[in-house]
Amino acid sequence: AQKITQTQPGMFVQEKEAVTLDCTYDTSDQSYGLFWYKQPSSGEMIFLIYQGSYDEQNATEGRYSLNFQKARKSANLVISASQLGDSAMYFCAMRGPGNEKLTFGTGTRLTIIP
Amino acid sequence: DVKVTQSSRYLVKRTGEKVFLECVQDMDHENMFWYRQDPGLGLRLIYFSYDVKMKEKGDIPEGYSVSREKKERFSLILESASTNQTSMYLCASTLSGRGYNEQFFGPGTRLTVL
Repeated sequence: AQKITQTQPGMFVQEKEAVTLDCTYDTSDQSYGLFWYKQPSSGEMIFLIYQGSYDEQNATEGRYSLNFQKARKSANLVISASQLGDSAMYFCAMRGPGNEKLTFGTGTRLTIIP
Repeated sequence: DVKVTQSSRYLVKRTGEKVFLECVQDMDHENMFWYRQDPGLGLRLIYFSYDVKMKEKGDIPEGYSVSREKKERFSLILESASTNQTSMYLCASTLSGRGYNEQFFGPGTRLTVL
C-alpha cells in the first residue's frame, strides 16, 4: 500500500522568502511518480510539478522545484521568492505502476504574509 | 484549453435523497476519478473508471455508486444521502500510458446533506 505524509498542517511565510513544504512517502514499488498540486481558495486543483522515481535530476518548473531524496523517501516542494498568490493548500500525491490512481497526503495550508 | 466540468458548484440535499453528481471532460481521457475532500483528511478516492462501463472501487466506496455510459461523462451517485456525506467532491481525468500523466480536476461540488 502507498502512503503520503505531510506533517505541516499550516505554515506562515514572509513574502519573497523561500518555502519548503515537506512530503514523505511509503511504497514498496520501484517505479512510481510524485506530484504536487496547489488548491487556492477557489477550490480547483492546479498541477505544479512531477518527479519520476527514476529521474536523476530534481524536477523544476519556474519558481517550483522538487527536492527528491529517494533513499529518505522524501519529495519536498520548494517555492522560491514566495508571492501573495502562493497562499493556498498544497497537496503531495503519489502514483504507483500499472494504474493512474493517485494517493494524496492531507495537505499543507500555506499563508504568505505581506 | 483542457476542461473538466462538474454539474454544480454547490448542492444542498436532504437525508435519504438520491443525489447525482455529474462530471464531463473534453480531453478524450480514458481514466476518470471521483474524490471527496475533507479537512485534515486530504483527498480520498471513491471510485475510478478506466474505460466506458468499467469501474473500480477506490478507498472509500461505501454509500456511493458510479456510472460511465460515455467516455466523456462520469457520474457519482449517492443512493440515499446521509449527513456524513457532506463534503467537497472533486472529479478528475487523465490519459492512460507510460510516463507521467497529470490528473486534471474539475472545480468541485460542495455538497451539504441536511
